Amino acid sequence: GENVEQHPSTLSVQEGDSAVIKCTYSDSASNYFPWYKQELGKGPQLIIDIRSNVGEKKDQRIAVTLNKTAKHFSLHITETQPEDSAVYFCAATSTNTGNQFYFGTGTSLTVIP
Amino acid sequence: DAGITQSPRYKITETGRQVTLMCHQTWSHSYMFWYRQDLGHGLRLIYYSAAADITDKGEVPDGYVVSRSKTENFPLTLESATRSQTSVYFCATLDPSGANVLTFGAGSRLTVL
Repeated sequence: GENVEQHPSTLSVQEGDSAVIKCTYSDSASNYFPWYKQELGKGPQLIIDIRSNVGEKKDQRIAVTLNKTAKHFSLHITETQPEDSAVYFCAATSTNTGNQFYFGTGTSLTVIP
Repeated sequence: DAGITQSPRYKITETGRQVTLMCHQTWSHSYMFWYRQDLGHGLRLIYYSAAADITDKGEVPDGYVVSRSKTENFPLTLESATRSQTSVYFCATLDPSGANVLTFGAGSRLTVL
């Protein structure tokens, strides 16, 4: 099955700096890559996603890039704010996996004011 | 309100007892999933269901039982709880005919003593 690896596991940045979280996947059939943000005591919430026919997608301060050849995708957060502090998960899925989503192990992001 | 409701939100039980975690959705999404979240492991799939009366094992199904007699409900039962099942459990739904977005409930924190 699919194997998703995520790095780093923890990340601290100064407010206003950028944060980058990277994920790799193993199954070349994977074609949908969402990113989830989980705040303390809550369920993960989708913040941005990208499909395999697109190389980059941006939504205000967050962006995701995808390199299908290298099988990796990254989350970029610019101008970080304290409310960006949370755990972030990447995931991969494809129609071949019966709609099963495979998650990375998470990155705990702390934005220092 | 529309969405996913998990109950109970918190549960403490003893080794060997049976525990059922409930998940209810108001969208009539065909797919439903149960994940467990543990530090260092991210989100791991326990069981999923493609429709009423159709269930399938995920990555870590041992010690769990599911049923889905109605589209809106997907209970997860621990028939004889063990300490290793102490975790946070998340239910999620997916509408494959739509944007293929996986949506999570707020979670159920289970402690097995």
